[in-house]
Amino acid sequence: GENVEQHPSTLSVQEGDSAVIKCTYSDSASNYFPWYKQELGKGPQLIIDIRSNVGEKKDQRIAVTLNKTAKHFSLHITETQPEDSAVYFCAASKPQISNFGNEKLTFGTGTRLTIIP
Amino acid sequence: EAGVAQSPRYKIIEKRQSVAFWCNPISGHATLYWYQQILGQGPKLLIQFQNNGVVDDSQLPKDRFSAERLKGVDSTLKIQPAKLEDSAVYLCASSLRDISYEQYFGPGTRLTVT
Repeated sequence: GENVEQHPSTLSVQEGDSAVIKCTYSDSASNYFPWYKQELGKGPQLIIDIRSNVGEKKDQRIAVTLNKTAKHFSLHITETQPEDSAVYFCAASKPQISNFGNEKLTFGTGTRLTIIP
Repeated sequence: EAGVAQSPRYKIIEKRQSVAFWCNPISGHATLYWYQQILGQGPKLLIQFQNNGVVDDSQLPKDRFSAERLKGVDSTLKIQPAKLEDSAVYLCASSLRDISYEQYFGPGTRLTVT
């Protein structure tokens, strides 16, 4: 099955600097790659996603890049703020063979991001 | 709009006891998911419902876990009997349709098995 590796497991950056989190996936058929932010005591929240037909997507201070050849995708957060401190998860899924839609999401192990004021 | 509701928020039980979790998805969402999140790991899908039907339960330990979705709305997840390794946060999520649509997660139920 799909395997998603995520690095680093912890990341500390100064407020205002950029943060980058990287993920690799194993199944070349995967075509949907969401990123989730999880704050303490809460469920994950989707912050951005990318599909395999594009190489980059940006939403204000957050961007995601996808390299299908290398099977890796990255989350970039610019001008970091204290409220960006959380655990971030990448995930991947591939299309179902027999039906429309995608198979289950496989999550990475998470990155604990700490923004230092 | 109201989010995904889960109860209880916390539960402590002894091994071999049974426990049940409840989830109320966002109104109109056809797909409901139950995830298990062990401390320090990403969520792992246990079961996915589309309306009343099960789409994927390949990672559900069926000898002890069961789940149902009543009338395509609320859902319950049960563990019987519980083991120590079941200690985790159980997350419910819902989406308008399938996996490639945004999933909205509830706050989770933290289960501790002693």
